Amino acid sequence: GAVVSQHPSWVICKSGTSVKIECRSLDFQATTMFWYRQFPKQSLMLMATSNEGSKATYEQGVEKDKFLINHASLTLSTLTVTSAHPEDSSFYICSCLPGSTDTQYFGPGTRLTVL
Amino acid sequence: TQLLEQSPQFLSIQEGENLTVYCNSSSVFSSLQWYRQEPGEGPVLLVTVVTGGEVKKLKRLTFQFGDARKDSSLHITAAQTGDTGLYLCAGAYLSISSGSARQLTFGSGTQLTVLP
Repeated sequence: GAVVSQHPSWVICKSGTSVKIECRSLDFQATTMFWYRQFPKQSLMLMATSNEGSKATYEQGVEKDKFLINHASLTLSTLTVTSAHPEDSSFYICSCLPGSTDTQYFGPGTRLTVL
Repeated sequence: TQLLEQSPQFLSIQEGENLTVYCNSSSVFSSLQWYRQEPGEGPVLLVTVVTGGEVKKLKRLTFQFGDARKDSSLHITAAQTGDTGLYLCAGAYLSISSGSARQLTFGSGTQLTVLP
């Protein structure tokens, strides 16, 4: 149980293009999903909290107009990196929160490379 | 902002040795999770500790949550090469910005290498 998928697993794009990453909870419903970013040799940094049916809450320093989050259903959240630049290259990971527990279950991550 | 200090950052040991990883904070957490992450993959949950003073064992791994719920440790007995990976602790706390959902703050991670 508690399986989370992400798609795509990796993507390479040109500077200036937009990239959409999907996060799905496969065997449970998640009212809340989180998006993280991880640079090489570093830990996870929370970007935003996504609640189904409402606007996402962004952490300080994260541009909401650049990182668009949509949580349209209890099993799907999407992160769109708009007008991507090389500095946006990173490992993006989502997590899902089933029910009222603290434990988050993570997706396998998406490696974004912007040329 | 809740901060969680994790140490050591890097650890290289011989197979069969024991090791301990520590996570410390001045903040109180409602629970603390330990994850293990392989390169190019997402973190995989090892354990969640909730009660102050709680000890959980997972085969050769022993997890402890401090009495005040501000710190935690992971002890591995007789390490094996398969234990190699990035170990992350994460403390759960209630953030006003996240509504009723508890956010996680992650430690910096411990890169463990177990040599044959």
